Amino acid sequence: EDQVTQSPEALRLQEGESSSLNCSYTVSGLRGLFWYRQDPGKGPEFLFTLYSAGEEKEKERLKATLTKKESFLHITAPKPEDSATYLCAVRFGNNRKLIWGLGTSLAVNP
Amino acid sequence: SAVISQKPSRDICQRGTSLTIQCQVDSQVTMMFWYRQQPGQSLTLIATANQGSEATYESGFVIDKFPISRPNLTFSTLTVSNMSPEDSSIYLCSATGGETGELFFGEGSRLTVL
Repeated sequence: EDQVTQSPEALRLQEGESSSLNCSYTVSGLRGLFWYRQDPGKGPEFLFTLYSAGEEKEKERLKATLTKKESFLHITAPKPEDSATYLCAVRFGNNRKLIWGLGTSLAVNP
Repeated sequence: SAVISQKPSRDICQRGTSLTIQCQVDSQVTMMFWYRQQPGQSLTLIATANQGSEATYESGFVIDKFPISRPNLTFSTLTVSNMSPEDSSIYLCSATGGETGELFFGEGSRLTVL
């Protein structure tokens, strides 16, 4: 079954404490893996697209990596403003639509 | 990137009534989508809004319950008809844009049905 699983469900960090969020997928013919950030009461905000194993993208304190089975979103020295829910989605095969994970809720304490 | 405006941002409605959500994009886009986001569930695609033709609905969603209009390349509406408490949710409008086909989202419309 085509599936996207994110872990952990929730993560609480101290400011400056680096960590990683995981997005694992079981699909055939990956055509793109997308990371989004969602703040409470807002729509998801696009962060990165990854296409092939070994690819990496960076933006400020965030770095996304991709393997054949999973993607990691590394957060280096997080700040309280990084607190949000991080969503992962994949597009695969001939499908136009995305399959979404449930997200990881990140809280960064000052 | 596209900027997407939705309204209303939130509403409280009575059972049995209908509500129309509007979505405006600041540039012409080919593909527009409507999603539902419920607590504890992943984003669920309701339908693809096609300009000049009927929307394409995903399994479990029907036109009578969720009629959609797309009169031009920058605007779409989603109506939630004959509402019940189970329709309480956040409804999100989105459009494809950018170089990699990523989705951009509106702020969402939080609907509560009493």
